[in-house]
Amino acid sequence: DTEVTQTPKHLVMGMTNKKSLKCEQHMGHRAMYWYKQKAKKPPELMFVYSYEKLSINESVPSRFSPECPNSSLLNLHLHALQPEDSALYLCASRQTGRSSYEQYFGPGTRLTVT
Amino acid sequence: DAKTTQPPSMDCAEGRAANLPCNHSTISGNEYVYWYRQIHSQGPQYIIHGLKNNETNEMASLIITEDRKSSTLILPHATLRDTAVYYCIVTYNFNKFYFGSGTKLNVKP
Repeated sequence: DTEVTQTPKHLVMGMTNKKSLKCEQHMGHRAMYWYKQKAKKPPELMFVYSYEKLSINESVPSRFSPECPNSSLLNLHLHALQPEDSALYLCASRQTGRSSYEQYFGPGTRLTVT
Repeated sequence: DAKTTQPPSMDCAEGRAANLPCNHSTISGNEYVYWYRQIHSQGPQYIIHGLKNNETNEMASLIITEDRKSSTLILPHATLRDTAVYYCIVTYNFNKFYFGSGTKLNVKP
């Protein structure tokens, strides 16, 4: 199983809503990532979790709150978002223990903030 | 991390080899070269990576110049399904992937 799954596929939310994005992998990977991708732009790194601990936060606004409750699951909690936060949110995971392992990406959640 | 430069777009005829260049003139000795591609609205897909030597797998070949300042991804027999944006990434910190603007490869019948 080399799959990273993300739910939901699409999400529309108002600026006052609270919602969560979910990412799951069962490959035993201990590094997990959130990326944001605006239309016609490359993915931008947001957060990195290593062994369930947040190791990198790329100066992401606090309205995005990541959580890694266990080694298979990664959440992104969303609150008070702005229309400019509308984007494709990608999750990825990577095996640790050897430095050059590649990242596996999920299909993404397309978020629209109204 | 070193920056990369790629042409914004390239065309390739179906069945022919697609050669995608990447310039990484400021690469340092411990930085790897990775290639990913992203088919429209899907998540990026790993293709291949290398450090110094040329590499080949079932998807592609990676040719890295001796001075490591540039590399070429080769898709030996491009198909319409290879139409995608191809990203060249150079990094030593495998938790930090910074995607450049990539090359949009258009495979035409």
